[in-house]
Amino acid sequence: GNSVTQMEGPVTLSEEAFLTINCTYTATGYPSPFWYVQYPGEGLQLLLKATKADDKGSNKGFEATYRKETTSFHLEKGSVQVSDSAVYFCALTDNSGGSNYKLTFGKGTLLTVNP
Amino acid sequence: KAGVTQTPRYLIKTRGQQVTLSCSPISGHRSVSWYQQTPGQGLQFLFEYFSETQRNKGNFPGRFSGRQFSNSRSEMNVSTLELGDSALYLCASSLAQGRGANVLTFGAGSRLTVL
Repeated sequence: GNSVTQMEGPVTLSEEAFLTINCTYTATGYPSPFWYVQYPGEGLQLLLKATKADDKGSNKGFEATYRKETTSFHLEKGSVQVSDSAVYFCALTDNSGGSNYKLTFGKGTLLTVNP
Repeated sequence: KAGVTQTPRYLIKTRGQQVTLSCSPISGHRSVSWYQQTPGQGLQFLFEYFSETQRNKGNFPGRFSGRQFSNSRSEMNVSTLELGDSALYLCASSLAQGRGANVLTFGAGSRLTVL
């Protein structure tokens, strides 16, 4: 089955610092990678996604490029804000067969941004 | 557009009892998935339903079951509760067809505590 490995953290940064959270995976079939974010006391929210190799997903200043050759989908943001403090999950779904929407998640990375 | 609604948000049960959790998907979404989130195991896939049929099942014991109704609403049931079942149970819905078919939208979760 699929597996996702992401930087476990916790990661503590000062406001306006550069953020990178590494995510690599092993998968069969035709995986699609995602980043989800979970704020305290809430469910998961989709942050960004990619569909095919070399796609770059972006949202709210966050970016991630789907690198098939290195099986990676690293999350980056040039200047973090206090409001970005949350847990970030890298995830993968296998689209082979057309009907499997099961997501495999990484362990999550807790990000704390200090003012 | 209303999001994914899960009820109840919090509940406390004792060992040996059973519990039923409810999920109302986004209108028009036909696929509903369930995930268990614990500090130790992270996010784990329970099962996925589409058109009242279970299409995928994760590696959980038979005490965990679910169903989906004709209006796409879903319930999951855990019987003979154990302490280790304490978790946040997340429901997610998706279109299951067309563009964005594999994008899951999560609810806020039902936090179950087993005493």
